[in-house]
This record gives sequence, structure tokens and C-alpha cells, in this order.
Amino acid sequence: AQSVTQLDSHVSVSEGTPVLLRCNYSSSYSPSLFWYVQHPNKGLQLLLKYTSAATLVKGINGFEAEFKKSETSFHLTKPSAHMSDAAEYFCVVSDRRGKLIFGQGTELSVKP
Amino acid sequence: DTGVSQDPRHKITKRGQNVTFRCDPISEHNRLYWYRQTLGQGPEFLTYFQNEAQLEKSRLLSDRFSAERPKGSFSTLEIQRTEQGDSAMYLCASSLKGEMNTEAFFGQGTRLTVV
Repeated sequence: AQSVTQLDSHVSVSEGTPVLLRCNYSSSYSPSLFWYVQHPNKGLQLLLKYTSAATLVKGINGFEAEFKKSETSFHLTKPSAHMSDAAEYFCVVSDRRGKLIFGQGTELSVKP
Repeated sequence: DTGVSQDPRHKITKRGQNVTFRCDPISEHNRLYWYRQTLGQGPEFLTYFQNEAQLEKSRLLSDRFSAERPKGSFSTLEIQRTEQGDSAMYLCASSLKGEMNTEAFFGQGTRLTVV
């Protein structure tokens, strides 16, 4: 069965410093992986997706993620945090039929 | 606005009452999903449709829950005899195809509070 584990429930960074949100996946076949972001009172928005074309995936708002098969990881990074990045972030894996399976989420706080 | 639309945005109901939520997907999208999200948790899969066919239902979906997608367009999720444990955000999403690498677009959700 497909699953994802987000290793941190809460991450706090200072504005201008790097962001690292960690995600490990479990899959019996080559996975499709996504990162979604949820701002308060807003719908879930896709940040980026991995579909086996390239291991380093660039997304919106300066975020990127690297697929590492040997480590079964798909960590989300950003070189410099902005106040507007404060939100809940979800690592997601898709099964063969397109059903999305979400991690528990990581709340990102950005301090001025 | 051509995104996924959910109605109502908020619903407060008394325990034991029935409630119905509506989701209008992006018009050309064949796949429609329902998820439930409680505070501090990731969305949990409830059910999904390919056009009008309901393909899978989660074990989370008790007999009190029913979903329909007549004519393969909008969908409704009904909860009968609501319980306090049903309080959650109910999310709808749609996608163009039911394949592994297809992005799903989410609505803003319906927040249900059972008192």
C-alpha cells in the first residue's frame, strides 16, 4: 500500500533562512509524489509534483523537492523563507488509479 | 471562477439531523473525490467517482454517508443522523483523468459543526 510520513509536525524558521520539510514515502511501485500547501481559510494548492521525469522538481514560489529513491524521500526545500510561506504543507502519494494519499501535514511558521 | 466550487462553506447542525453538501467540479474533469479533514490532520479519502460511477468507498464512510454524482457533473455528499464525530472539513477535488500523475484541484471545503 502507498503511504507517506511527514517527519515534522511543526517547523519554525526565520524569514530569509532556508526551509526544509521532510517526507518519506512507501510504495510498491514507482510513485507519483506531490506537495500541496494549505493557507488558512483557503483551498489546497499544488506546489509541485514528481512523475519520474526528473529527480529534482521545481515548483511555485521558489519551492523545490528532490526525489531520492535510495532514501525513499521527497523533501521540500526553499532557499529563503518569506512570511507568506507560513501555512500547512502536505506530502502526498498517488496510487495507480489516481487516488491521493496525504501525510499528516507540517505546519510551517516564519518568524520576522 | 472556474475552479472547484463547494456549497455551503459552513454548516452548523444539531446532532441527529441530516445534511447534504454539494460539489461542482471543473467542467471537463471526469474524476471527482471527497475527502474529510479534521483539525491537525491530513485529508482522509472518503470516496471517488469516474464520471457517474462511484469507484471506491473508504471504510471511513459508514452507512450514514452516501455520495452521488448524477450525470457525471456535480456531486452531493449526504450524512444522515449526524454525530459530533462528523464535525470536520469536507473537501471536494476533481481531476482531468484518473491516473497516477494527474494533479487534483481542490475546493475550499465545507466546514461541518455538529452540536
